[in-house]
Amino acid sequence: AQKVTQAQTEISVVEKEDVTLDCVYETRDTTYYLFWYKQPPSGELVFLIRRNSFDEQNEISGRYSWNFQKSTSSFNFTITASQVVDSAVYFCALSEAQGLTGGGNKLTFGTGTQLKVEL
Amino acid sequence: GAVVSQHPSRVICKSGTSVKIECRSLDFQATTMFWYRQFPKQSLMLMATSNEGSKATYEQGVEKDKFLINHASLTLSTLTVTSAHPEDSSFYICSAKRLSTYNEQFFGPGTRLTVL
Repeated sequence: AQKVTQAQTEISVVEKEDVTLDCVYETRDTTYYLFWYKQPPSGELVFLIRRNSFDEQNEISGRYSWNFQKSTSSFNFTITASQVVDSAVYFCALSEAQGLTGGGNKLTFGTGTQLKVEL
Repeated sequence: GAVVSQHPSRVICKSGTSVKIECRSLDFQATTMFWYRQFPKQSLMLMATSNEGSKATYEQGVEKDKFLINHASLTLSTLTVTSAHPEDSSFYICSAKRLSTYNEQFFGPGTRLTVL
């Protein structure tokens, strides 16, 4: 069975601080996909990143960066120089894959981390 | 990017009534759609996988007779909450799978159901 653990329930930071959201996963699959989503108060999920299990390269996108460590089954997300608009709930998720291309299967979500960025 | 819509965005109904929620992929065909439920301050939990032209596959613990899913076309799946009760009040989110190199999944904006 697949499982995603986000141990941090809530994090509060002051604007411009860096913050890392942790995600640890469990799966028996050798091929899988990992995701991060942002859920602002409106409720709509915003896709942030997808990473397949064969690609352990870290990724940077603007103020966002992701650290995928297969050895520790972790896929952590860092926001640099946080802003008030980053306040939201962030979900890490895992899906099984069909070979190398099956990234659209059902998702197992973590419990989410509520990030509050204050002035 | 691909767009998925849900209708209605909010619905309030009386206990005992049935509510239908629509999920549409607006600019792509989706042979598979997923229905998730999210209780306040909790995670998203998969309820069922909806396949076009066939019966939905329900997750363990989800009552198929209470949550009726119909995927009649490649762009539309519906979730009907039958005989709704206050405990069914939740945020229901659908996603649609677009066949592509990555078989990406796109989420709708969600439907907030309140049962009085």
